[in-house]
Amino acid sequence: QVQLVESGGGVVQPGRSLRLSCVASGFTFSSSAMHWVRQTPGKGLEWVAVISDDGSRKYYADSVKGRFTISRDISKNTLYLQMNSLRPDDTAVYHCARAEYRVINLANWGQGALVTVSS
Amino acid sequence: QSALTQPPSVSAAPGQKVTISCSGSTSSIGNNYVSWYQQVPGTAPKLLIYDTYKRPSGIPDRIYGSKFGTSATLGITGLQTGDEADYYCGTWDSSLSAQVFGGGTRLTVL
Repeated sequence: QVQLVESGGGVVQPGRSLRLSCVASGFTFSSSAMHWVRQTPGKGLEWVAVISDDGSRKYYADSVKGRFTISRDISKNTLYLQMNSLRPDDTAVYHCARAEYRVINLANWGQGALVTVSS
Repeated sequence: QSALTQPPSVSAAPGQKVTISCSGSTSSIGNNYVSWYQQVPGTAPKLLIYDTYKRPSGIPDRIYGSKFGTSATLGITGLQTGDEADYYCGTWDSSLSAQVFGGGTRLTVL
């Protein structure tokens, strides 16, 4: 079955960087667009970024544009989110998700990695 | 403030029917497919509806989706206590070139 496992979360000071990873299994990774979505505890879902199946197209939420970079390594079945210039309002649980049928349909989700930005 | 507008909460008795609305714009719901997600607190979201009205394998037909103009609706009939969760709508916004979600609706089965 499809499995998505995030890692790399933790506590980081404002202005510093962090890289999240999401290891995928149970499907053909190179055939699926992949998303990052974050959720502040007790709040709703906030979309962060998406990368196309071949990695050629990337889109970002305005709140992270210019600071975050989404990428993927097909050879490692791994999705990444490089987060720079982190701010306290980036504190959230970050989920990776696999798109199916169309890029907007997030068919499978990981359990998430908690990122806390605090001094 | 979310790009898609949902009611914060809805409630109904077991066995009854409930609908959850999701209001967007021409550039979002008006010209794109809609998906719906269920999230039980403490767990990851689960896809309930894709391409506006289609159900993934394993989702019962008492759960359905529809769309009219710039608004979409999730309906659940024969409510069960296990349906208590948060529900989110999502779509692509062509003017933003971004995926957008609604703020979520908490369903309580009384």
